[in-house]
Amino acid sequence: AQSVTQPDIHITVSEGASLELRCNYSYGATPYLFWYVQSPGQGLQLLLKYFSGDTLVQGIKGFEAEFKRSQSSFNLRKPSVHWSDAAEYFCAVGGAAGFQKLVFGTGTRLLVSP
Amino acid sequence: EADIYQTPRYLVIGTGKKITLECSQTMGHDKMYWYQQDPGMELHLIHYSYGVNSTEKGDLSSESTVSRIRTEHFPLTLESARPSHTSQYLCASRWDRDGYTFGSGTRLTVV
Repeated sequence: AQSVTQPDIHITVSEGASLELRCNYSYGATPYLFWYVQSPGQGLQLLLKYFSGDTLVQGIKGFEAEFKRSQSSFNLRKPSVHWSDAAEYFCAVGGAAGFQKLVFGTGTRLLVSP
Repeated sequence: EADIYQTPRYLVIGTGKKITLECSQTMGHDKMYWYQQDPGMELHLIHYSYGVNSTEKGDLSSESTVSRIRTEHFPLTLESARPSHTSQYLCASRWDRDGYTFGSGTRLTVV
């Protein structure tokens, strides 16, 4: 069965510092991988996605993620965090076929300190 | 730019009332989903649909029901609301290889 693990419940980063949010997945075939961000009281917004090809994918708001098949990981990174990045971040995995449901991780809450 | 709309955004209602949470999308997506999100922020799939007249229960048991009479519309109904139904409800749709597009959610409080 497919699953997603986000080992960090909370992360605090100083503004201007770099960020890495961890995501490990379990999936029996080639996975489709996603990162979403959720601001308080809002829905989820897609940051980036990986389907195939280049393992380093660029997303919105200066985020990037790297797919590492050997480690079953899809970690999210940003070189310099801004206070507005404080939010909840969700990693998700799914399959190529549209009928396959996405499975979400439990989320990582990012706090940004001045 | 939101192409999937949820109404109302906030709802406070008394125990025993019947409520319908609306979800509409303008993207022509066949696949639609309802998630319940608890204060701990974890997402739980409660219903999904792969097209008109297709509805399935999700991974988390829910007393709510859904219908899919039109492609663009996927309402969720609670026949008799209870305080345990207090939560945020998120609607999403998907086009094949793409990820989900989410609505802004409905925050429901049952008093």
